Amino acid sequence: NAGVTQTPKFQVLKTGQSMTLQCAQDMNHEYMSWYRQDPGMGLRLIHYSVGAGITDQGEVPNGYNVSRSTTEDFPLRLLSAAPSQTSVYFCASSRGFEGSTEAFFGQGTRLTVV
Amino acid sequence: EDQVTQSPEALRLQEGESSSLNCSYTVSGLRGLFWYRQDPGKGPEFLFTLYSAGEEKEKERLKATLTKKESFLHITAPKPEDSATYLCAVRRGTSYGKLTFGQGTILTVHP
Repeated sequence: NAGVTQTPKFQVLKTGQSMTLQCAQDMNHEYMSWYRQDPGMGLRLIHYSVGAGITDQGEVPNGYNVSRSTTEDFPLRLLSAAPSQTSVYFCASSRGFEGSTEAFFGQGTRLTVV
Repeated sequence: EDQVTQSPEALRLQEGESSSLNCSYTVSGLRGLFWYRQDPGKGPEFLFTLYSAGEEKEKERLKATLTKKESFLHITAPKPEDSATYLCAVRRGTSYGKLTFGQGTILTVHP
């Protein structure tokens, strides 16, 4: 059981370039989320989805775009990369019923924008 | 606005020296407080979920407790392999998929 899979693990971009971070889960979870982790700031929510075709913004959505066409996949797009987007990005998925709502995380994508 | 504050930022222990990590929270309608462990270069790994004040959960050397304002992660007789960053997060209402995290506590256990 693979759980939550993120690709790539590492990426270096030039300022202004665009790219897509991939996230896939094989647990049939309804909810998926993207977080970024910066030193001393914990994880901050970028965007999340409550099911296929439904997405919403989190705490720090500017500069990022998401869509969810299937239950399994939730890609994160950087439209025009900026040095401030240098961070570690984590994708997570979870169920939506009480008693079993913990989120499962991928291994992360370390992004550097130069 | 939901807020989660963890203390201390870093904690150094000798092997066998028990201690506690604190997670203070402010959230309207708490529907879950979560503890995660994160090793360097890895994603957070789920440890516990607590739902109501007075609830306790245990796993090996770890025990998590919850009050109306804070949660504690007690570490009994820690070993070097317990060294990691411990993260606390809260979820409100029916906001599945939306967690608010604290900044974490870096735990180092020396042999």
